[in-house]
Amino acid sequence: SQLAEENSWALSVHEGESVTVNCSYKTSITALQWYRQKSGKGPAQLILIRSNEREKRNGRLRATLDTSSQSSSLSITATRCEDTAVYFCATGNTGKLIFGLGTTLQVQP
Amino acid sequence: NSKVIQTPRYLVKGQGQKAKMRCIPEKGHPVVFWYQQNKNNEFKFLINFQNQEVLQQIDMTEKRFSAECPSNSPCSLEIQSSEAGDSALYLCASSLFGGEIAETLYFGSGTRLTVL
Repeated sequence: SQLAEENSWALSVHEGESVTVNCSYKTSITALQWYRQKSGKGPAQLILIRSNEREKRNGRLRATLDTSSQSSSLSITATRCEDTAVYFCATGNTGKLIFGLGTTLQVQP
Repeated sequence: NSKVIQTPRYLVKGQGQKAKMRCIPEKGHPVVFWYQQNKNNEFKFLINFQNQEVLQQIDMTEKRFSAECPSNSPCSLEIQSSEAGDSALYLCASSLFGGEIAETLYFGSGTRLTVL
């Protein structure tokens, strides 16, 4: 089983709508990262949120971390077609990142 | 935007053939990772280096996979005898920091290996 797992396989929204991707993890962590992978590209980090942070923002993106429930969320407001991608949460305390299986987000015009 | 460069973009090999791919990490990044991503989006960590030294590697890597990061040359990952199950996207990533806590990884676009 995965160290970190997103809670949905796929989501579809229309441009301009907001969407939230959720992630749960199985052990205590020092930080959790969100990555986005567009078709034909490698993953790119969106946000790194540390265990002493409850919320972090990056433009239209907002990540939350709840260490008591071992969960995190990534919200995207005012979605655009170019937000279409696979979104991964990832964490690791042993020198390497362990990725979830990803949530595919489709933003339709 | 990541400046990790991976070559080739696509690699097609027959079973039993060698497959070699290369990676130039971001300038100034001493830590390099190799991951295998399958068609179901699952990531498998293969190996990581700090400068030229191996930090961690999985058992599978020790048998048919070999990797190196020589000084002043691209890092490389080589599969000695390719198998159909090796077909995947191989991702190289670099980082400013090593250590126990996993920090930001900067990924290349990957090498898509197809083993026929």
